[in-house]
Amino acid sequence: DIQMTQSPSSLSASVGDRVTITCRASQDIRNDLGWYQQKPGKAPKRLIYAASSLQSGVPSRFSGSGSGTEFTLTISSLQPEDFATYYCLQHNTYPFTFGGGTKVEI
Amino acid sequence: EVQLVQSGAEVKKPGESLKISCKGSGYSFISYWIGWVRQMPGKGLEWMGIIYPGDSDTRYSPSFQGQVTISADKSTSTAYLQWSSLKASDTAMYYCATSTESPLPSHWGQGTLVTVSS
Repeated sequence: DIQMTQSPSSLSASVGDRVTITCRASQDIRNDLGWYQQKPGKAPKRLIYAASSLQSGVPSRFSGSGSGTEFTLTISSLQPEDFATYYCLQHNTYPFTFGGGTKVEI
Repeated sequence: EVQLVQSGAEVKKPGESLKISCKGSGYSFISYWIGWVRQMPGKGLEWMGIIYPGDSDTRYSPSFQGQVTISADKSTSTAYLQWSSLKASDTAMYYCATSTESPLPSHWGQGTLVTVSS
């Protein structure tokens, strides 16, 4: 299985901060990666697909980058509604695998 | 509009069987993979497996192979996740998810909470 190592597991930030979350794949997954946001009691929401493509309707303060084994999700200016847990998911090889998650807290 | 509607919460005892469902609408159900994701209480997301309803091709994560069965009924546009003998450790929220433009899930069900307790 491809292991997805996500860091940090949690972070504290303030409104307006720039936040960066990283996922590292145990082998080359090209750009077959997405990022999700999950709020308590809700289903995950896709933010980014193909490593860097913004999902329709998602604010432009979210961006993704990377390919191969290193990927980054950046929130350029954190907003109150962005406090949530974020996950990466690789879909290059079965079984698909999630990163461990990053909880973004105040 | 793509919609996935899951069956309601379940409370079961260890050793019991269970089948939960996920009904798709607003798209060609048989043409796109649909998967299942587990989230144990307070924990992260785990990809369990995926099925292509058109031919029932199914792929499981090794962690779940033999522990659950994923199936689909084309006639009712419904995917299923089933257990033959539940354990307390199966207590979790289960989500179904699909996408119509890539293997990466874009549409999710609302989740089904399964509680296994004696």
